[in-house]
Amino acid sequence: DAGVIQSPRHEVTEMGQEVTLRCKPISGHDYLFWYRQTMMRGLELLIYFNNNVPIDDSGMPEDRFSAKMPNASFSTLKIQPSEPRDSAVYFCASNPAGANTEAFFGQGTRLTVV
Amino acid sequence: RKEVEQDPGPFNVPEGATVAFNCTYSNSASQSFFWYRQDCRKEPKLLMSVYSSGNEDGRFTAQLNRASQYISLLIRDSKLSDSATYLCVVNSRTGRRALTFGSGTRLQVQP
Repeated sequence: DAGVIQSPRHEVTEMGQEVTLRCKPISGHDYLFWYRQTMMRGLELLIYFNNNVPIDDSGMPEDRFSAKMPNASFSTLKIQPSEPRDSAVYFCASNPAGANTEAFFGQGTRLTVV
Repeated sequence: RKEVEQDPGPFNVPEGATVAFNCTYSNSASQSFFWYRQDCRKEPKLLMSVYSSGNEDGRFTAQLNRASQYISLLIRDSKLSDSATYLCVVNSRTGRRALTFGSGTRLQVQP
């Protein structure tokens, strides 16, 4: 298995532009997570899905952020409009059903908003 | 108060040293516990799960104290390749299903 695949790996955009981050989870995994990592705040959960349904989006910072999972093999995280404070590394992770299971992370998307 | 708290370090130790990291968690309903490792500019990866009775994997030993809501990781005979950030992670079986990460403790092993 190729693991969790994220694209793009790096994104530099101007303030106000729309940014879309993409994720392909490991086949057969029922849970998909979006995390954001910054030096100041560490790894923060933004949203997670179970069987393509959003379960908890309480970590989404504000209405500028939205996430979708149209099918079991694809998810997007969109920021519109982007702001410099959104600059961070965004990780997607997936894991199979079960309470004591490892989460597998993608390599992340490093976003810089200038 | 953060759900999972760790000393950020950095811990600078010589090769061959023994080093211990500690972590506390606030949610008494937490059921699953892990240590993840994150190398610079890489994604986090599972180092080991932490079981109630404590567990060992080679040079690494993890302990859990549910009464004190405290988790530890001991690394013996440190190698240069152990240099990384170590993340304490908990998962509550009730309520939110996702893993909650500590901010990490940075370890630098020096020759």
